[in-house]
Amino acid sequence: DQQVKQNSPSLSVQEGRISILNCDYTNSMFDYFLWYKKYPAEGPTFLISISSIKDKNEDGRFTVFLNKSAKHLSLHIVPSQPGDSAVYFCAAGGATNKLIFGTGTLLAVQP
Amino acid sequence: SAVISQKPSRDICQRGTSLTIQCQVDSQVTMMFWYRQQPGQSLTLIATANQGSEATYESGFVIDKFPISRPNLTFSTLTVSNMSPEDSSIYLCSVEVGYGGEAFFGQGTRLTVV
Repeated sequence: DQQVKQNSPSLSVQEGRISILNCDYTNSMFDYFLWYKKYPAEGPTFLISISSIKDKNEDGRFTVFLNKSAKHLSLHIVPSQPGDSAVYFCAAGGATNKLIFGTGTLLAVQP
Repeated sequence: SAVISQKPSRDICQRGTSLTIQCQVDSQVTMMFWYRQQPGQSLTLIATANQGSEATYESGFVIDKFPISRPNLTFSTLTVSNMSPEDSSIYLCSVEVGYGGEAFFGQGTRLTVV
């Protein structure tokens, strides 16, 4: 049972445009959500997080939106840059401190 | 934050052998986590390693196959035992900074079993 889902395995965006990565979850007990970026041959690096009591968190070019009623979150990157090309994972956590990861979306930003 | 050094970064191993992966953190942490990422899959938690107690394994993972050591608050090892080609994956160690905080990952170990 995949509790965290990223239904788009890949996304291609032109440089300067907005990238929108989506994530759905099934467990209403998750308390917080995070996005990670992963380059080949490197471990995931933390990008941005959001608590379940918020609906938006912004950090520079990155904004995460949370829609609890729809059990959906999204990561917006604007403007997109070629260096943003990587695999993006969403993750969810709760009282157990364990993170449940989605399957990832490969973002390609075209110059 | 935390800086995590993981080694080896990659290895090619014969089936039936074992490989031990080391994870060193630059600060003391209570819990360390071991993940596996199979090709095209998400990161799957193998076990949680607490210092001074046995590791807690997730469903589908057993101590005989993935023994874990946690001798102190900055170090842990994961052994992949009696390997088969199905064990070919990226293995990652991780620590979390508090409840709701971000997790920090090592660079991963890319294991290929032939």
